[in-house]
Amino acid sequence: NAGVTQTPKFRVLKTGQSMTLLCAQDMNHEYMYWYRQDPGMGLRLIHYSVGEGTTAKGEVPDGYNVSRLKKQNFLLGLESAAPSQTSVYFCASSLSAYNEQFFGPGTRLTVL
Amino acid sequence: AQSVSQHNHHVILSEAASLELGCNYSYGGTVNLFWYVQYPGQHLQLLLKYFSGDPLVKGIKGFEAEFIKSKFSFNLRKPSVQWSDTAEYFCAVYGGATNKLIFGTGTLLAVQP
Repeated sequence: NAGVTQTPKFRVLKTGQSMTLLCAQDMNHEYMYWYRQDPGMGLRLIHYSVGEGTTAKGEVPDGYNVSRLKKQNFLLGLESAAPSQTSVYFCASSLSAYNEQFFGPGTRLTVL
Repeated sequence: AQSVSQHNHHVILSEAASLELGCNYSYGGTVNLFWYVQYPGQHLQLLLKYFSGDPLVKGIKGFEAEFIKSKFSFNLRKPSVQWSDTAEYFCAVYGGATNKLIFGTGTLLAVQP
């Protein structure tokens, strides 16, 4: 099993550009999450999904959109990137809300 | 609002020293508790978890944690740290109305050889 995978691993954008981060899991998990990690701030939840076709806002959703068209995939989109979105983005999945979350390797995004 | 506090932001220890990292949470009901570790340049991995039962939980790599309900705490311990334990450690708590896992801000541990 690959677990949770993320593409790309690194990306540099210019302000105003758009991009999509892809997360895939092969554990048949219902729940999937997108976090951003910034120094001294821990992990902050951007959006999450409790099943195929569902999405919900987390703690810091502004400037991001998500889609969960297939159970195994969870996409994070930035429509118009800003320097404040420079961060490391982690995807995670879990069987349920209260179970262990399994994390992907992360995407390091720099917005110039 | 629910919160998770890790009061030690940066800890520096010598090899073979004992480790205790604090974690306190604000929710008073039933909770599920987790400690994750993030080695440099890597993703978060589960160290240990507590759902119910014995409040002293054993995890991987010699780590353990004790759930003290009266103190709303779930401190992480290791009797003798190694250089390879250098990492960032995150406490996380599930419970209450948010229906989400709440992470602490992390503790960066540096172990000097």
